[in-house]
Order: sequence, then structure tokens, then C-alpha cells
Amino acid sequence: ETGVTQTPRHLVMGMTNKKSLKCEQHLGHNAMYWYKQSAKKPLELMFVYNFKEQTENNSVPSRFSPECPNSSHLFLHLHTLQPEDSALYLCASSQEDVGTNEKLFFGSGTQLSVL
Amino acid sequence: AQSVTQPDIHITVSEGASLELRCNYSYGATPYLFWYVQSPGQGLQLLLKYFSGDTLVQGIKGFEAEFKRSQSSFNLRKPSVHWSDAAEYFCAVVDDKLIFGTGTRLQVFP
Repeated sequence: ETGVTQTPRHLVMGMTNKKSLKCEQHLGHNAMYWYKQSAKKPLELMFVYNFKEQTENNSVPSRFSPECPNSSHLFLHLHTLQPEDSALYLCASSQEDVGTNEKLFFGSGTQLSVL
Repeated sequence: AQSVTQPDIHITVSEGASLELRCNYSYGATPYLFWYVQSPGQGLQLLLKYFSGDTLVQGIKGFEAEFKRSQSSFNLRKPSVHWSDAAEYFCAVVDDKLIFGTGTRLQVFP
């Protein structure tokens, strides 16, 4: 148990669906992250929030929309996804932004399949 | 741009054998380096990190890594592998964000 919880663990959706991924951390951290993990590719940083403010958007398509209502919760809203968006989506948190070399704590991820 | 290379995609060892996973980085200044492990169906967990000081770093689960500036390497080692070490291992370097390698999948035979 890392203190970072992601739901759902698995998600199957059609290209016209709208769904949301949820991440919650119980560690009192101030920074939260979304990563995409595809087979045989490095983990791709998608978004970074520091003290609820988005500090990084790594050229992510607008069909992915993050939301950070408070320092403990992070959402990733999905709509009109493509099959190539199928991947494991990992949430992580750290005390502060990783630019200060903080250790990341990861959730178990949501395995997303887009049909 | 900074980068991390893990040359080995897949490694298989026998239980009890020694292990070395390779990591090479590209970074102009002194890098901040990490090794993370991902067990099946799980997120990543930090094994160890190097910021400065002693170039041989001890981590959890009996792992260690050695920073070698002359070789731009930060290889992960374990003297005796256990079956529970079967997982995917990621090397990472911090620039203004954490940059991961593509990972090395470790398989352990009894």
C-alpha cells in the first residue's frame, strides 16, 4: 500500500464514451502527476499539479482533461478517445514537485482499453 | 535533452544468482538518478536514489547501485536474486521532470 489509490483498476470504453479516472493520495503531498505507460515505451509524463495548480502539460491531446480540486484528489476526464490511447494510466504524488528531486509514490494504475 | 537508456529489455536469471541491470544516462551536470521497480499489476516503487556523495547507493530489498560518471552509468545490482524479485525495473533521471527508461523485465527461474 503506497498511500495512492486509483479507481477503477480496469476500464473498457468505446471511442464515443466519456469516463473519468480517479486518484486519491493520503500522504499529505502537494504534487500529483498523471503518467501513461504503453508497452515497450518509456513512461510518459502527461500532467503535473503542484498545490492544485497545473504546472506541466506535456503536449497531451485535449481529449484528456485533468482536474485537481484539492491536493489530495486528481482526476483524468476522458472523451472521444482513440484505440492508441489504450494503456496503463498511473497516478503519482510527491511532497513537492519532482523538480526538487522528491521521491514519487505511485498508485497501481488504471488499465484502459479503448475499443 | 536528457535521456536514460536501459539496453536490456528482458533478462532471465536463476534464483540465487547475481544480478546486474544496466542504465546509461545522458546529462550535462551531476544527475539525480533513481531506480524504480514495478511488480505485475502494481505501480512503481522506489528502490534507491543517488543525488551526491558516496557513489555506491544502498536501497531496499537488498539492491544497490553504483554511479560511475566516467561511464555515464548507474547500474543496479543484487548479489542473490529471489523469485519475488521478478518484475520490471526502471531507471530514471531528473531534469526539470522525471525521465524514465524503457524498463528491463526480470524473470527469475527456480
